[in-house]
Amino acid sequence: GDSVTQMEGPVTLSEEAFLTINCTYTATGYPSLFWYVQYPGEGLQLLLKATKADDKGSNKGFEATYRKETTSFHLEKGSVQVSDSAVYFCALSEGYGNNRLAFGKGNQVVVIP
Amino acid sequence: NAGVTQTPKFQVLKTGQSMTLQCAQDMNHNSMYWYRQDPGMGLRLIYYSASEGTTDKGEVPNGYNVSRLNKREFSLRLESAAPSQTSVYFCASVGTVNTEAFFGQGTRLTVV
Repeated sequence: GDSVTQMEGPVTLSEEAFLTINCTYTATGYPSLFWYVQYPGEGLQLLLKATKADDKGSNKGFEATYRKETTSFHLEKGSVQVSDSAVYFCALSEGYGNNRLAFGKGNQVVVIP
Repeated sequence: NAGVTQTPKFQVLKTGQSMTLQCAQDMNHNSMYWYRQDPGMGLRLIYYSASEGTTDKGEVPNGYNVSRLNKREFSLRLESAAPSQTSVYFCASVGTVNTEAFFGQGTRLTVV
């Protein structure tokens, strides 16, 4: 079935550093891809999305490009802030019938001043 | 501008007690989902409802039941709570194909 794999472990970095979180996926069709962010004590909210190959999603300085050839959707930000500290989830949706979402395990990002 | 509303936000149950988690969305979405979130496990799908009147099991359905009461509401019931069901539960809804999910704020459940 569909699955999403995120890099293992939390990510700790200093303010203004470059952030990359790796995400790869397995899907039978042509899924839409998403990054969600979860701030402490809150639900998940959509950060960005891409619906077809080579699309780039972007929001709040974050970017991710849908790479069909490498089945990847890595999240990047050029200069992180303390306020970017959160858990980040990669997800995909095949969109058939039930429209189910498959999530990665998430990565805790901690930005130190 | 409510989106997805879950109640309650916090709950403590004793082993063997029952309870129902409520979820309602006001976006006229067809699909609704219940997930649980545990440390190191990400989000795991418990049950989902592709449309009003239908429900299906997800990855971890044991110990739970659901009801899609109408298009707006999708409830999750624990008939006999167990400590292994201590978790944070999220409800979500999705509109059309390949669009994003909208999440509620979560219910933090502790079973003692």
